[in-house]
Amino acid sequence: KQEVTQIPAALSVPEGENLVLNCSFTDSAIYNLQWFRQDPGKGLTSLLLIQSSQREQTSGRLNASLDKSSGRSTLYIAASQPGDSATYLCAVKKYTNAGKSTFGDGTTLTVKP
Amino acid sequence: DVKVTQSSRYLVKRTGEKVFLECVQDMDHENMFWYRQDPGLGLRLIYFSYDVKMKEKGDIPEGYSVSREKKERFSLILESASTNQTSMYLCASSLLMGLINQPQHFGDGTRLSIL
Repeated sequence: KQEVTQIPAALSVPEGENLVLNCSFTDSAIYNLQWFRQDPGKGLTSLLLIQSSQREQTSGRLNASLDKSSGRSTLYIAASQPGDSATYLCAVKKYTNAGKSTFGDGTTLTVKP
Repeated sequence: DVKVTQSSRYLVKRTGEKVFLECVQDMDHENMFWYRQDPGLGLRLIYFSYDVKMKEKGDIPEGYSVSREKKERFSLILESASTNQTSMYLCASSLLMGLINQPQHFGDGTRLSIL
């Protein structure tokens, strides 16, 4: 059974700092991995999706990497801003069709002005 | 932009009631999903559908059923609501393009309280 772990559960940094969020998974036979952000009381917003054949994806100040063999993904946020404060979740999908995604519990990020 | 709309942001129902949660997406996505999110338990998949009238059980289907009569609409049904079904319910959709799964897009969620 796939298990997805995100450590740390919470992170607090000063504005402007570069930071890395971690996601690890136990079964490396995945088809893709997706990073989301969730603001309090809201749904999830997709940030980046990495297919299993890819090593990384970039969008603006965000860069996500994937190392399938070691079962790890990182989300790098450059020059953090208070507006980046949110919970960040990763999800891995195993099957080619709709299949099931397994979500981590998330890392709650606070960026202090 | 993809729009996934859940019919209610907040809902309060009583135990034993039959509850319907509706989700509509406007991007002709094949795949639709229902999750619940609880503190300490994360997001858990209840049901998903990869086509009209098709459904697959997720990890926690007990006490729930679903309906997908039209491609854009995916309904979650609590047959007889119980207090342990108090939760945040999230609907998502995604496009299947060939063998590549596209990103999942989520609605804003329905916070359901069962009294």
